[in-house]
Amino acid sequence: DIQMTQSPSSVSESVGDRVTITCRASQDIMAWLAWYQQKPGKAPKLLIYSASLLQDGVPPRFSGSGIGTEFTLTINNLQPEDSAIYYCQQAINFPLTFGGGTKVEIK
Amino acid sequence: QVQLVQSGAEVKKPGASVKVSCKASGYTFSGFHIHWVRQAAGQGLEWMGWINPDTGDTNYAQNFLGRVTMTRDSSNSLVYMEMIRLTKDDTAVYYCAKVRYYNSGRFPQLDYWGQGTLVSVSS
Repeated sequence: DIQMTQSPSSVSESVGDRVTITCRASQDIMAWLAWYQQKPGKAPKLLIYSASLLQDGVPPRFSGSGIGTEFTLTINNLQPEDSAIYYCQQAINFPLTFGGGTKVEIK
Repeated sequence: QVQLVQSGAEVKKPGASVKVSCKASGYTFSGFHIHWVRQAAGQGLEWMGWINPDTGDTNYAQNFLGRVTMTRDSSNSLVYMEMIRLTKDDTAVYYCAKVRYYNSGRFPQLDYWGQGTLVSVSS
């Protein structure tokens, strides 16, 4: 199975700041990576697919980059509604595997 | 608009079975695989498997082989996930989700999710 490792496990930043979350895969997954946002009591929401493509309706302050084994989710101009847990997921092999999550809090 | 609506919360005793439904609407049901993912309280996301609503083909995670069965009712755009021999460790929220790419089982990224179904297993 492909292991997905996210860092940091939590981050706290102020409104308007930039947040960067890293996801590392245990083997090459090309660009087959998705990022999800999950708020308490809600289902995950797709933000980014194929490593860097913005899902319809997602604000452009979210962006993704990376290829191979190292990927980044960046949130520019952090907003209060961005408080959530963010997960990465590799989509190249079964079983699908997710990172452990990064909790983003607003100071 | 695309919607996946799941059945309501369930409370089961250890050893029992549960069947969760997921009703799809707003898109071509047969064109997109449905995946199931579960999440225990305060924990991360665990992939369970997928079903092709067109053919009924399935693929299950190793952890669930022999205990999970995914089926579909194409005439009603419904997908089901049944789990047998429940234990306390199966207490979790179960989600169905559709893949983003039409008519492809490859590189699944999940663009629409159901609201989740809490399955509680307790004696």
